[in-house]
Amino acid sequence: DSGVTQTPKHLITATGQRVTLRCSPRSGDLSVYWYQQSLDQGLQFLIQYYNGEERAKGNILERFSAQQFPDLHSELNLSSLELGDSALYFCASSVLAGQETQYFGPGTRLLVL
Amino acid sequence: QQQVKQSPQSLIVQKGGISIINCAYENTAFDYFPWYQQFPGKGPALLIAIRPDVSEKKEGRFTISFNKSAKQFSLHIMDSQPGDSATYFCAASSPSNTGKLIFGQGTTLQVKP
Repeated sequence: DSGVTQTPKHLITATGQRVTLRCSPRSGDLSVYWYQQSLDQGLQFLIQYYNGEERAKGNILERFSAQQFPDLHSELNLSSLELGDSALYFCASSVLAGQETQYFGPGTRLLVL
Repeated sequence: QQQVKQSPQSLIVQKGGISIINCAYENTAFDYFPWYQQFPGKGPALLIAIRPDVSEKKEGRFTISFNKSAKQFSLHIMDSQPGDSATYFCAASSPSNTGKLIFGQGTTLQVKP
């Protein structure tokens, strides 16, 4: 158990809908990362937050947004969902913002029908 | 230039054999190269990491070999065991104030008893 929790574990929704994925980092970790894992794209970095502020942005679609709250938990919002958004979404956390061990949560499996 | 190319896509090894997974990168700014191990239904977990100031790092049965001039690095699993059966991802990041990781496509390893 990495200490990172993600909810929900599974999510099934329809095209055009909006969902929110939630992540609680390990106690004491200030950075939260979001990654998308799909069969054809592998693990893709989406976005990083550090202590409540956006620190780095990757291949995140404009339909996606994220935030980190004062208690350091993070939410990833996916809107106007398309079939191609079906994937595993992982949250990871680390103590600080740089090149450190990232601890991954168990992921949220999103299926868009 | 941000890509990390990983091979092979899948690997079958007999118990006790050596598993070798290779990665190549183009961005010479990369200076941190971790390997992550992922079991089915779980999030990736850091296995071992290396920086380019050393050519080899060993932790138990796992060794990273690094060739800076060739821009390649590899993971060797000695005395492979059925419990090592998992998906392995190499990754890279550049020095910055973010921990953004660029992942390879992954290698699914099966160790036969």
